[in-house]
Amino acid sequence: AQKITQTQPGMFVQEKEAVTLDCTYDTSDPSYGLFWYKQPSSGEMIFLIYQGSYDQQNATEGRYSLNFQKARKSANLVISASQLGDSAMYFCAMREGHYGQNFVFGPGTRLSVLP
Amino acid sequence: SQTIHQWPATLVQPVGSPLSLECTVEGTSNPNLYWYRQAAGRGLQLLFYSVGIGQISSEVPQNLSASRPQDRQFILSSKKLLLSDSGFYLCAWSGQGEKLFFGSGTQLSVL
Repeated sequence: AQKITQTQPGMFVQEKEAVTLDCTYDTSDPSYGLFWYKQPSSGEMIFLIYQGSYDQQNATEGRYSLNFQKARKSANLVISASQLGDSAMYFCAMREGHYGQNFVFGPGTRLSVLP
Repeated sequence: SQTIHQWPATLVQPVGSPLSLECTVEGTSNPNLYWYRQAAGRGLQLLFYSVGIGQISSEVPQNLSASRPQDRQFILSSKKLLLSDSGFYLCAWSGQGEKLFFGSGTQLSVL
């Protein structure tokens, strides 16, 4: 079964607007970590934001915030004030266990920012 | 600071030829090491990970193998490449409970 689901293969957003990229996950482990990575056309994987399963507050990193709804098992990425440079693939990932070694990635969402 | 080196950046190989991709990490000790493969426009598929020298866990049975001869060195190999081995290969490392740090990737084309 899919452990990470990203239901939006592609998204469009107007420059300067906010956009939400969806991610749902499946785990029975009470301790886990959720990550978002950005992959521009160059192929490099850029870490954006992290949310631990026991974190009480939603994570924020600059223009990125993670809308963590534990009961729904969702960890949506919110990008505020979109910029043209935000156009890329975005991957949601999960690490199970506090020191788990296995990172599982979702299929990704391709975000296109329109001028 | 920690850095990860992965090479080559691009590789074109004929079907049936061998493969060796190397990845090294600097600035940390006893990292967890990973090989991922990404088909064009798709997500990342975990191939192998290692928590220590000589310790390799395989996630997907295939004609690829991995080895970790030194603490900070991770090698992906194949004796005979298949067309289906084409893709973008990413090496990564993590510390205990930390995020993944990725190398710059190798674009492999098997013809």
